[in-house]
Amino acid sequence: QSVLTQPPSASGTPGQRVTISCSGGNSNIGSHGVNWYQQVPGTAPKLLIYANDQRPSGVPDRFSGSRSGTSASLAINGLQSEDEADYYCDAWDGSLHAVLFGGGTKLTVL
Amino acid sequence: QVQLVQSGTEVKQPGASVKLSCKTSGYTFTNYAVHWLRQAPGQGLEWMGWIITGDGNTAYSQTFQGRVTFVRDASATTVYMEVSSLTSEDTAVYYCARNPLGTVTYDYWGQGTLVSVSS
Repeated sequence: QSVLTQPPSASGTPGQRVTISCSGGNSNIGSHGVNWYQQVPGTAPKLLIYANDQRPSGVPDRFSGSRSGTSASLAINGLQSEDEADYYCDAWDGSLHAVLFGGGTKLTVL
Repeated sequence: QVQLVQSGTEVKQPGASVKLSCKTSGYTFTNYAVHWLRQAPGQGLEWMGWIITGDGNTAYSQTFQGRVTFVRDASATTVYMEVSSLTSEDTAVYYCARNPLGTVTYDYWGQGTLVSVSS
């Protein structure tokens, strides 16, 4: 059981906006930065968002992140078929002294 | 360009040990930590721990403490992970990932190594 909670699935049609949530607690999301990764099945994860809302170079600006209190969100604007993948959030937990991951959200583009 | 290249698929029997490698290139080895993570079939990502490549200091997840060892060879810019007392529950793809110090961000990943544990 993951300590960071994500919805197991999400979906949208091409061009839509989709958001994926990641819920935690005061010792992780509430006090440490959140990162988001995209994983196409059979491949290694790819960094999408770091430190809550920063985008690495090369990541389209359709992807954005935010954090409020003990929750974080990943938003994808202008959904495209190639966005179909699994998405994971992670954060450091200062009480457990561990990196925690969400259970992952499978995004389907209808 | 930054690359992390992992060793190939391993098939082990229960009770055995396995040692995986992660060869890095394209950046200053000692300026970044390397973390190890794993992903069981159909499951999510699980953090195992890290090694500070500059001084060799390590930290392990409580889940793996005592059963996993990370070492590095700075001259070969390579990090190794050994997992002992394997069980079928250790069947997974194991990833190494580059980590900017002071963060838990993984900006580059290895391609993954499948470890299959079966009698």
